[in-house]
Amino acid sequence: ETGVTQTPRHLVMGMTNKKSLKCEQHLGHNAMYWYKQSAKKPLELMFVYSLEERVENNSVPSRFSPECPNSSHLFLHLHTLQPEDSALYLCASSRFLGQGSSIPLHFGNGTRLTVT
Amino acid sequence: RKEVEQDPGPFNVPEGATVAFNCTYSNSASQSFFWYRQDCRKEPKLLMSVYSSGNEDGRFTAQLNRASQYISLLIRDSKLSDSATYLCVVNDPLKGGFKTIFGAGTRLFVKA
Repeated sequence: ETGVTQTPRHLVMGMTNKKSLKCEQHLGHNAMYWYKQSAKKPLELMFVYSLEERVENNSVPSRFSPECPNSSHLFLHLHTLQPEDSALYLCASSRFLGQGSSIPLHFGNGTRLTVT
Repeated sequence: RKEVEQDPGPFNVPEGATVAFNCTYSNSASQSFFWYRQDCRKEPKLLMSVYSSGNEDGRFTAQLNRASQYISLLIRDSKLSDSATYLCVVNDPLKGGFKTIFGAGTRLFVKA
């Protein structure tokens, strides 16, 4: 299996639920990202992990909690979400090559989340 | 000022037309530049990288002007299948690597 795989593809959860989104990459990349895409809004960068270390937390509410146990796996743990958190959550990976260069992001199919 | 700004469009063009998209970025330290394409309800996919020397891939030509912090994409001989949202993307340096910033996208509709 190659590429970036996200599960589940669709998720409906209540505001009191706890759920997790999973992302797995088989590209040998060393960086992984979570993005949020709401209707009619641009992609919003949420978190960046480089070599399993979180290097960016873009002012994301604490009800979103990322976890990167190794360079191939990334999770987004969700709890007490709000209806306005309904969106498409995209995982991506890339590889930093050093000397100011990297390969472009490769995205998963995304998880479409609905909070009721 | 937004980190990456694009004209949202939409651009409505007939098949065979030439269409140009523009993008500006605010961080002079941005180091890598790309155009992505996103189809409705799908994930973004890399269209092409952008270099100061300009680069061409078939009907698509991308150009970067670092002095003006300006990126362009030219599509020649538009096809119906080119209808999509085109995203301007920059990599900003970050401890340990980069963060990738997306513009809001420009919607293109190519009509028969």
